[in-house]
Amino acid sequence: EVQLVESGGGLVKPGGSLRLSCAASGFSLTTYSMNWVRQAPGKGLEWVSSVSSGDGFSYHADSVKGRFTISRDNAKNSLSLQMNSLRVDDTALYFCARDIGYDSRANYHLYFDFWGQGTLVTVSS
Amino acid sequence: QSVLTQPPSVSGAPGQRVTIACTGSSSNIGADHDVHWYQQLPGTAPKLIIYANNNRPSGVPDRFSGSKSGTSASLAVTGLQAEDEAEYYCQSYDNSLSGNVVFGGGTKLTVL
Repeated sequence: EVQLVESGGGLVKPGGSLRLSCAASGFSLTTYSMNWVRQAPGKGLEWVSSVSSGDGFSYHADSVKGRFTISRDNAKNSLSLQMNSLRVDDTALYFCARDIGYDSRANYHLYFDFWGQGTLVTVSS
Repeated sequence: QSVLTQPPSVSGAPGQRVTIACTGSSSNIGADHDVHWYQQLPGTAPKLIIYANNNRPSGVPDRFSGSKSGTSASLAVTGLQAEDEAEYYCQSYDNSLSGNVVFGGGTKLTVL
C-alpha cells in the first residue's frame, strides 16, 4: 500500500528556516517523480517543487526559487524540502505528492496519484 | 489568481446532476494538455478522481466523469450524494510557466 507521511512543520519567524520530510512506503522514490504542493489557509493548491525520478533533477516554482530546495534520500526512501528565508506568505499546509508523467499526442502530461496528509507551516512574528 | 478558472461554488439536490467547469488557455488545456480532477473533503488531502480527461482511478464511483474540449474541461457528478460535498480542483500542464503544473482555484460543491 502506498503511503506518504509528512513531518517537520511548525511555527517559524519571518526569515527563518524549516526542513520538511516525507516518508514514503509501498514504492521506491527512485522510480517516481515526487513533489511538494502547498495550500494556504482557505486557498487553493499551488505546486511548489519537484524532483524527477532517475537523475534527480529538481524544479521550483518562481515564488520559492532560490529559497527552497527539494531533495530525496534514496536509502531512507524519503523526500525533503529545505525552506530558507521564509515569508509570511509561505504559511500553508504542505503536501508531499507522487506524480505520474506520460507522453501522449506529442505532449507531456502529469497528474498526482497519491498525496500525504500534509504538514502545517506557519510563518509569523 | 489561478491559471485555470473554476466557479467558486456549485450546488445540487441529492440525486441531481451537476457540472464543474475548468477554463484554461492556449498554453495549457488549449495546447492539448490533459486535465485531471481532485476531490478534497474537509480537513483531508486531495484525492485523484479523474485523470487524463475522462479516466477514473480504481475505486472512484462511475457517477464521476470528465470531458475536455478546446480550452475547457468539465467534471460531471450524477446521482449526487451527501458524501460528494467537497472542494474540487482541476489541474493541467502549461507550456509557458516555470514548473508547468497549474491548478484551478477550486469549486465548492454543496449538496442541498
